[in-house]
Amino acid sequence: DIVMTQSPDSLAVSLGERATINCKSSQSVLYSSNNKNCLAWYQQKPGQPPKLLIYWASTRESGVPDRFSGSGSGTDFTLTISSLQAEDVAVYYCQQYYSTPLTFGQGTRLEIK
Amino acid sequence: QVQLQESGPGLVKPSETLSLTCTVSGGSISSYYWSWIRQPPGKGLEWIGYIYNSGSTNYNPSLKSRVTISVDTSRNQFSLKLSSVTAADTAMYYCARLTTFLAFDIWGQGTMVTVSS
Repeated sequence: DIVMTQSPDSLAVSLGERATINCKSSQSVLYSSNNKNCLAWYQQKPGQPPKLLIYWASTRESGVPDRFSGSGSGTDFTLTISSLQAEDVAVYYCQQYYSTPLTFGQGTRLEIK
Repeated sequence: QVQLQESGPGLVKPSETLSLTCTVSGGSISSYYWSWIRQPPGKGLEWIGYIYNSGSTNYNPSLKSRVTISVDTSRNQFSLKLSSVTAADTAMYYCARLTTFLAFDIWGQGTMVTVSS
């Protein structure tokens, strides 16, 4: 199984500041056939299901604000929120889809400082 | 737009079988992968398995011996059965649609299942 490890476990950022969440996979998730990384990011607000934010490591899902961006390749990935808004308070998960079983990181809780 | 809704008992006794159904509305169940994911209270996400509309399945090895996912295209539904449940199976159970590259793009609201006598 590919183990996904996120850091930090929790993060407090001031409104308008940048938030950065990291995700590391236990093996590369770079798919050689299309040279894309099989990595997605989700946002889960309290009492709600997760919401897909980013796939292929850096492609924003339709309707996702452009303050959310994804980067990285191979085994190391980052989700960046460029200017934190109050509505961004949530738990964020990364997920690899390079191989089954599909696996998630443990989650990073993002709060307002 | 496509919406998913889970249904089933909220309480299951230990050693019995958990059965849930996901109803897909606003679109056809055909030509997509459909999945179940669970989340124990206060914990992270665990993929249970997926099914394609043809009936082909892929299960998490950690649960494979106890899981069956099936699809009913005539009702636009797919279902989860998890046998021999214990308290460790207590969780919010989500159904979700998978993209062709296996990211979860549409989720149901989830249904809480508690295993207790």
